[in-house]
Amino acid sequence: EVQLVESGGGLVKPGGSLRLSCTASGFTFSSYSMNWVRQAPGKGLEWLSCISSTVSQVYYAGSVKGRFTISRDNARKSLYLQMNSLRGEDTAVYFCARDPSSVPAARGAGFDSWGQGTLVTVSS
Amino acid sequence: EFVLTQSPGTLSLSPGERATLSCRASQRISSNFLAWYQQKPGQTPRLLMYGASSRATGIPDRFSGSGSGTDFTLTISRLEPEDSAVYYCHQYGSALTWTFGQGTKVEIK
Repeated sequence: EVQLVESGGGLVKPGGSLRLSCTASGFTFSSYSMNWVRQAPGKGLEWLSCISSTVSQVYYAGSVKGRFTISRDNARKSLYLQMNSLRGEDTAVYFCARDPSSVPAARGAGFDSWGQGTLVTVSS
Repeated sequence: EFVLTQSPGTLSLSPGERATLSCRASQRISSNFLAWYQQKPGQTPRLLMYGASSRATGIPDRFSGSGSGTDFTLTISRLEPEDSAVYYCHQYGSALTWTFGQGTKVEIK
């Protein structure tokens, strides 16, 4: 069974940093592109970033480019999101999601598995 | 900026009725890389459709997708009470960006 489990969320002050993790199981993590998506309270989904299976391709949404960094460790079957210069509008549940392609969007199959999410609250 | 606009914002229908959800893109979506997700309260999004018209694994055939270019539709042919949820369209990879629509809430009377 495919499982994605996020961790690392919590309360952080504006301007602070946080590192989120997503641990995968039940599939060959190193063969898939991975994504971070967030959802502010009561709001819709916002794509943030994706990374190819071999780390050769990385893309960011304009809202987080320069502040957030996506990375992965295939040996540890883990995906990460380093978040710096956090703002109140970054308050959200952060999901990791799997793209069933080694290269982002290459198979055109959307995001077929999602974690349960981890809540990040940015407040003084 | 790539924008997906979903309509209507809310759809209130009775069981057995047909639901038609629209997703319009500000630019042409290449290779019909358009997906639909269902999200129930307190739950994670679930992939329903990809490639505009292909059903994901385990999705019942009352769900269907159509469209191309900039205009796409998700149809739920015979609504059931468990279809009450927010539905999001999602374009992936066009112009090296990934975008979600703002969602359509489907309420079952």
